[in-house]
Amino acid sequence: EADIYQTPRYLVIGTGKKITLECSQTMGHDKMYWYQQDPGMELHLIHYSYGVNSTEKGDLSSESTVSRIRTEHFPLTLESARPSHTSQYLCASSELFGTLSGYTFGSGTRLTVV
Amino acid sequence: DQQVKQNSPSLSVQEGRISILNCDYTNSMFDYFLWYKKYPAEGPTFLISISSIKDKNEDGRFTVFLNKSAKHLSLHIVPSQPGDSAVYFCAASALSGTASKLTFGTGTRLQVTL
Repeated sequence: EADIYQTPRYLVIGTGKKITLECSQTMGHDKMYWYQQDPGMELHLIHYSYGVNSTEKGDLSSESTVSRIRTEHFPLTLESARPSHTSQYLCASSELFGTLSGYTFGSGTRLTVV
Repeated sequence: DQQVKQNSPSLSVQEGRISILNCDYTNSMFDYFLWYKKYPAEGPTFLISISSIKDKNEDGRFTVFLNKSAKHLSLHIVPSQPGDSAVYFCAASALSGTASKLTFGTGTRLQVTL
């Protein structure tokens, strides 16, 4: 049973549309993350959060934005989707940033912008 | 600047044999090293980890070896099973500071053949 949920699993959308990728976790973790992965490439951190009302940009520049109004919810928004945004988006959470237990990942959203 | 490198994009191993996946890193600030397994269209799942104060950690069929002087770690799977076929990501983080979020390698696709 998954403890971190991402919806939708797959999304095909036209250029210029606004989209929100949902991510929710039931573990009470303070730290949450969004990673982006293209096929054959590493996972790149695009956003992370220390806790409620705290968000930061990651190592990879992204046109997306995030919000953290509730501990369990960390949605990612693209105001105007473009084909270059086509990728897999993975949400994760953890108790600590650096941890031997690692991060728990959701199943991901595969986004295709046409 | 890729701080975690997996130079072998793919590996094919016969069932029952040993699989050895390799990973190199450049950041001497890393304290934790982790291996994740990923199936297509799913999020990564945590497999095994090791602290920088150790040189070996074993969990069932999986063993991770760390060579700090060479900045190299490896994952051994013995015996390999067809269900082990997946993409394996090496990841690393520091206990705190700017490198405390998980940094991933590009992954190695393992295929275990019958």
